[in-house]
Amino acid sequence: EVQLLESGGGLVQPGGSQRLSCGASGFSFSSNAMSWVRQAPGKGLEWVATVSGTGANTYYADAVKGRFTSSRDNSKNTLFLQMNSLRAEDSAVYYCAKAGYCSGGGGSCSFENWGQGTRVTVSS
Amino acid sequence: DIVMTQSPDSLAVSLGERATINCKASQSVLYGSSNRFYLDWYQQKPGQAPRLLIYWASNRESGVPDRFSGSGSGTEFTLTISSLQAEDVAIYYCQQYSTFPPTFGQGTKVEIK
Repeated sequence: EVQLLESGGGLVQPGGSQRLSCGASGFSFSSNAMSWVRQAPGKGLEWVATVSGTGANTYYADAVKGRFTSSRDNSKNTLFLQMNSLRAEDSAVYYCAKAGYCSGGGGSCSFENWGQGTRVTVSS
Repeated sequence: DIVMTQSPDSLAVSLGERATINCKASQSVLYGSSNRFYLDWYQQKPGQAPRLLIYWASNRESGVPDRFSGSGSGTEFTLTISSLQAEDVAIYYCQQYSTFPPTFGQGTKVEIK
């Protein structure tokens, strides 16, 4: 059974940083691209980032490009999202997702399995 | 970016009745090299993470009840719940991944009438 468990959320001040983690089990982690999708309070789903299976390729939404960095440690079956220069509009539940089918170069994927999410609140 | 527009924003359906949700893409979501529509549907129940229901526009994910079905082509797609059950109360999202970046519809809230 695929299991994804996010951690690292919390309250952070505007301009601050936060690092999210996602522990994975139940599948061949290094063989799958992984993604982050967020959901602001009362809002819909927004794709944030995708990392290829090897970690060599990363893709970001324009809203976070240059501020967020996603990486992975395949030896520990863990996905990361380093978030810098945080803004109020980054407040959301952040979900880790195992990518399914992907198109083109691999940056646009479906989301086959989801974690339960971790909440990030950016506020002073 | 491909804009995904769902309709209606919400609907209330009696138990056992049919619920139909539409999703329109601003351009075709046919992924040429696979000749498939890269359009998925997700269900998000209150307080829970989303769950993949339908992939490639019309294929049910393993474990999804057969009252859920997807159809459509090109830019227009439909999710149908043939006989609404109480446990189907949720927000449903369509998502395209034929073109970067992947984008979601705004969601359709399904309630019991």
